[in-house]
Amino acid sequence: DAGITQSPRYKITETGRQVTLMCHQTWSHSYMFWYRQDLGHGLRLIYYSAAADITDKGEVPDGYVVSRSKTENFPLTLESATRSQTSVYFCASTPPDRGRTEAFFGQGTRLTVV
Amino acid sequence: QQQVKQSPQSLIVQKGGISIINCAYENTAFDYFPWYQQFPGKGPALLIAIRPDVSEKKEGRFTISFNKSAKQFSLHIMDSQPGDSATYFCAASLASGGSYIPTFGRGTSLIVHP
Repeated sequence: DAGITQSPRYKITETGRQVTLMCHQTWSHSYMFWYRQDLGHGLRLIYYSAAADITDKGEVPDGYVVSRSKTENFPLTLESATRSQTSVYFCASTPPDRGRTEAFFGQGTRLTVV
Repeated sequence: QQQVKQSPQSLIVQKGGISIINCAYENTAFDYFPWYQQFPGKGPALLIAIRPDVSEKKEGRFTISFNKSAKQFSLHIMDSQPGDSATYFCAASLASGGSYIPTFGRGTSLIVHP
């Protein structure tokens, strides 16, 4: 099915462990984003990518690493998870055409760090 | 520094009433202002959007009012329905390399009572 898929949908991990959240899109959109959603903070940008092998920091990048070796995949890694990283994570993409400005979101990954 | 300020944080409206959510921004370089709607357990989805050269845009029961000089914009939901109960995010975007990178407000939780 066409779209943007995140996996896993739910994840529980322990403090200090490394965890990777996956994001895959089938549209070949050039821009991809990672947001975290927390009550009272809304959606905050963690990292974004303009194309394969091009990534840049957003508002809250500390403790996260991203890579983008292929256009369709944009994994987010928490190198050493902390309880403050408990959140709902959303991946999104936008098409390259300036006339098409909608951001398409995945279903989200609910991450709990214990 | 919060670039997009959204209010109220929560809103309760009776069926048939008008729901109004307000947003303000600081960066005059923003040139695209979308609103996203998010239902529980889902990712946000584009509801309606406006560009700064237009003062108002209406789509069905949803209207965006835009005041460029005041750097404010608002979402009006006419004849609010229980099915409109969701979280609403305003956003502002900067054109970057051919796409738009949205910065979101903190969200408004809308409850419409039947």
